[in-house]
Amino acid sequence: EAEVAQSPRYKITEKSQAVAFWCDPISGHATLYWYRQILGQGPELLVQFQDESVVDDSQLPKDRFSAERLKGVDSTLKIQPAELGDSAMYLCASSLAAGQGRTYEQYFGPGTRLTVT
Amino acid sequence: AQKVTQAQTEISVVEKEDVTLDCVYETRDTTYYLFWYKQPPSGELVFLIRRNSFDEQNEISGRYSWNFQKSTSSFNFTITASQVVDSAVYFCALSEVYSGAGSYQLTFGKGTKLSVIP
Repeated sequence: EAEVAQSPRYKITEKSQAVAFWCDPISGHATLYWYRQILGQGPELLVQFQDESVVDDSQLPKDRFSAERLKGVDSTLKIQPAELGDSAMYLCASSLAAGQGRTYEQYFGPGTRLTVT
Repeated sequence: AQKVTQAQTEISVVEKEDVTLDCVYETRDTTYYLFWYKQPPSGELVFLIRRNSFDEQNEISGRYSWNFQKSTSSFNFTITASQVVDSAVYFCALSEVYSGAGSYQLTFGKGTKLSVIP
């Protein structure tokens, strides 16, 4: 069964360091999402891609976060510099291209658990 | 703006008991989708069901069943004869459907942690 791949699974970094997460969506899924999940909360969207284009990054803290999906397949989310409040689970999800009044279920990867010390 | 409320933070049941997880949503749209996801301790969110706003038929899948009531903006989830493997955090989510930036995004509730005691 096709899965969304993410790496690393766990990351510990010091405050002010740079950190990057990688996501490989299910083959054929044009839409890719990055979510942040703080402990005890539901996931919150950071950025949404349709192929290589950003559809929505209104919730992405652009002073320190960046995301790219250069070839419309895999994606990288970067934080520089990391802050203590960035400690969370970072989840990647993918779905078929939504449109024309239809939406499709999002399939999630295992996530990257980030701890900033 | 859309909102999803899961009022039950934690529920504990004894194995084989039935349990219902509540979900109430708010949206201005007439067309939307509702979802349930399961998050076991491993952390990965597992898709359980998608329901569109025009389909109010209840659905049953094995021990799982869902009750969608537009009149009360609720989409409740029932597990019959619960098992230890059902222990997880369950999230209800809403996706509005419109054109433009932010389309089809999921808005999640805060989740309900279910513990099934053997």
